[in-house]
Amino acid sequence: EAEVAQSPRYKITEKSQAVAFWCDPISGHATLYWYRQILGQGPELLVQFQDESVVDDSQLPKDRFSAERLKGVDSTLKIQPAELGDSAMYLCASSLARTGGIGEQYFGPGTRLTVT
Amino acid sequence: SQQGEEDPQALSIQEGENATMNCSYKTSINNLQWYRQNSGRGLVHLILIRSNEREKHSGRLRVTLDTSKKSSSLLITASRAADTASYFCATDASGSARQLTFGSGTQLTVLP
Repeated sequence: EAEVAQSPRYKITEKSQAVAFWCDPISGHATLYWYRQILGQGPELLVQFQDESVVDDSQLPKDRFSAERLKGVDSTLKIQPAELGDSAMYLCASSLARTGGIGEQYFGPGTRLTVT
Repeated sequence: SQQGEEDPQALSIQEGENATMNCSYKTSINNLQWYRQNSGRGLVHLILIRSNEREKHSGRLRVTLDTSKKSSSLLITASRAADTASYFCATDASGSARQLTFGSGTQLTVLP
């Protein structure tokens, strides 16, 4: 069964360092999402892509976060510089849905980030 | 911001019992989805119910939706230890921002 791949699974970094996460969605899925999940809370959307275009990045802290999905396939989320408050699980998800409908989303295993 | 709020925050039951979790939301929706998350893992989609549906079943899962009360419930029948997980509702709100907004989740523990 096809799955969303994410790497690394765990990342420990020091405050003010740069960190990057990678996501490979299920083949053929047009829409890709990056979420941040703080322990004990639900995921919160950071950025949404349709193919290679950003659909929604209104909740992405753009002073330190950036995301790209070159060629509309895999995606990278970067944080520079990392802050203590960025410690969280970063989840990537993909779906077949294009604009006009939000259906089932398929999630990767996540990257657990710890900033020290 | 979180549109959906689950209740209770935590639930502990014995294997074989039924588990009911509730979700309340604030704005009109196109659909509502339930997801499960095992500890430290990604989320798994369980069921999607559209705004014009009132009840939906999938195996041991039963979801109801009451749009007049802006609430939904997830019932897991004949629970198993493997059902131990966090359960989240997620809403696709009506309007231009087509995105899922997740609640804070119910932590279900099924004791063997």
